[in-house]
Amino acid sequence: DSGVTQTPKHLITATGQRVTLRCSPRSGDLSVYWYQQSLDQGLQFLIQYYNGEERAKGNILERFSAQQFPDLHSELNLSSLELGDSALYFCASSPRLRNEQFFGPGTRLTVL
Amino acid sequence: GQQVMQIPQYQHVQEGEDFTTYCNSSTTLSNIQWYKQRPGGHPVFLIQLVKSGEVKKQKRLTFQFGEAKKNSSLHITATQTTDVGTYFCAGLDNYGGATNKLIFGTGTLLAVQP
Repeated sequence: DSGVTQTPKHLITATGQRVTLRCSPRSGDLSVYWYQQSLDQGLQFLIQYYNGEERAKGNILERFSAQQFPDLHSELNLSSLELGDSALYFCASSPRLRNEQFFGPGTRLTVL
Repeated sequence: GQQVMQIPQYQHVQEGEDFTTYCNSSTTLSNIQWYKQRPGGHPVFLIQLVKSGEVKKQKRLTFQFGEAKKNSSLHITATQTTDVGTYFCAGLDNYGGATNKLIFGTGTLLAVQP
């Protein structure tokens, strides 16, 4: 158990819909990262937040957005969902002044 | 953009055999990390290498960072069934900034036959 929690564990929805994935980092960690893992694209970095502010962006689609709240939990919003958005979405957090990342159990999103 | 490739994509070994996965980056990395993901699980941090030519050992695992800081390897001696999983290298892209953006390699799936 990494200490990072993600909800829900599984999500099944239809094309065109919008979903919100939630992540709580380890206690004391200020950085939160979101990753997408699919069979054909591997593990792709989406976005990083640090203490409520966006710090780095990867190949995140415009239909996707994220935020980090004052209590440091983060949400990833995926809208106008397409079949290709089906994937595992991981959240990770890292301790202050350290680089290693601790991953949550992931949310498996299935778009039908 | 920066790319990190790993070979092989898949390796099947008999228990007790050695295993090596290689990681190559298109650009120089500030450091490199290795993660292991068991089937159905999430990536778990194994180690970080920072210095050029650095070698670190964790029991049967030996990690190496290349002199040019563009490649790395993970070697497992005498594999066990508990070593099964996908091994990812991840290059840290934070030159000149305060981000900890990790560029993950393509991963090597290790299967170990008892």
